[in-house]
Amino acid sequence: GAGVSQTPSNKVTEKGKYVELRCDPISGHTALYWYRQSLGQGPEFLIYFQGTGAADDSGLPNDRFFAVRPEGSVSTLKIQRTERGDSAVYLCASSPRLNTEAFFGQGTRLTVV
Amino acid sequence: AQSVTQLDSQVPVFEEAPVELRCNYSSSVSVYLFWYVQYPNQGLQLLLKYLSGSTLVKGINGFEAEFNKSQTSFHLRKPSVHISDTAEYFCAVSDSGNQFYFGTGTSLTVIP
Repeated sequence: GAGVSQTPSNKVTEKGKYVELRCDPISGHTALYWYRQSLGQGPEFLIYFQGTGAADDSGLPNDRFFAVRPEGSVSTLKIQRTERGDSAVYLCASSPRLNTEAFFGQGTRLTVV
Repeated sequence: AQSVTQLDSQVPVFEEAPVELRCNYSSSVSVYLFWYVQYPNQGLQLLLKYLSGSTLVKGINGFEAEFNKSQTSFHLRKPSVHISDTAEYFCAVSDSGNQFYFGTGTSLTVIP
């Protein structure tokens, strides 16, 4: 598969629990993005990696959200003490270089009950 | 930061009729413009992009868009729609910050 892969595709968790969402970008893509999409809305920016470092994390809503990309490839979005308002589809995208399009994965649908 | 406005939240159109989905963005500095399509329960798929050069860009599935710098617009058009074009369409803008800013989306429904 040559596309962006996200796992799991669906995640149901209880309020207060910790979750990890994984993104496997297209091989060789240096830029990686996380977005959150609520029902009926456009994707909302969370964080952007260039290589291993977070180049822009201004979209993370609070300190319960954290993301890593330790080897410059796979990324994990971590959410602590989940709340019902965190329920959304979390989209990951990667890009081969600056100033070009991003390629999106299918998303992880997170439901907090 | 950029903002992207998609004025029409829902657009119904009869099959084989033309359609235009409108997109305006906030800043006239150097930008890169994109239209993505999202089918139900799927991720975003790139339809077309403007990075530089000709202001009229052609994409997949017969769609095209025109970059108008003076009006800060990037409207999407198709001369004859098909049932399979029913989907959600998102306009996106990227500037030197490399973040993508998305509009709220336009739901296109093609009526047989």
